[in-house]
Amino acid sequence: DSGVTQTPKHLITATGQRVTLRCSPRSGDLSVYWYQQSLDQGLQFLIHYYNGEERAKGNILERFSAQQFPDLHSELNLSSLELGDSALYFCASSVEIADTQYFGPGTRLTVL
Amino acid sequence: AQKVTQAQTEISVVEKEDVTLDCVYETRDTTYYLFWYKQPPSGELVFLIRRNSFDEQNEISGRYSWNFQKSTSSFNFTITASQVVDSAVYFCALRYAGNMLTFGGGTRLMVKP
Repeated sequence: DSGVTQTPKHLITATGQRVTLRCSPRSGDLSVYWYQQSLDQGLQFLIHYYNGEERAKGNILERFSAQQFPDLHSELNLSSLELGDSALYFCASSVEIADTQYFGPGTRLTVL
Repeated sequence: AQKVTQAQTEISVVEKEDVTLDCVYETRDTTYYLFWYKQPPSGELVFLIRRNSFDEQNEISGRYSWNFQKSTSSFNFTITASQVVDSAVYFCALRYAGNMLTFGGGTRLMVKP
């Protein structure tokens, strides 16, 4: 158990809908990262927050957004969902930016 | 460009065999970090090891060992006396000046009893 928690574990929704994925980092970790794992794209970095501020963006669609709250938990919002958004979404956290990232169990999103 | 290549998509071995998973990386940075993560069938990503670009010492942890060679831009992972519980997808990853990890495509290891 990495200490990173993600909810929900599974999410099934329809095209066009909006969902929110939640991540609680390990105690004391200031950095939160979001990654997407899909069969065709592999594991890809989406976005990074450090102590509430966005620090880096990767291949994140405009339909996706994220934020990190004062208590350091983070949410990833996915809207206007398409079939291709079906994937495993991971959250990772680290103490500081340069430290090892520890991953949560992931949220499996299925868009029907 | 930063890139990680794991040429072996799938490897199948019989229990107790030794197996090496290859990882080749590309980066222009002189300071970078390399990682291995394990993804068992349950789906989570488990951290195994981190090396920085200035430390080429090989590392051994139980049945696991890692060989880092800057001359060939490789960071290979060997499991000695493999066990069924080692069956998983293994990912090599690179972190450079940015904070994000760039992952290889993964190698699926199947250890048969």
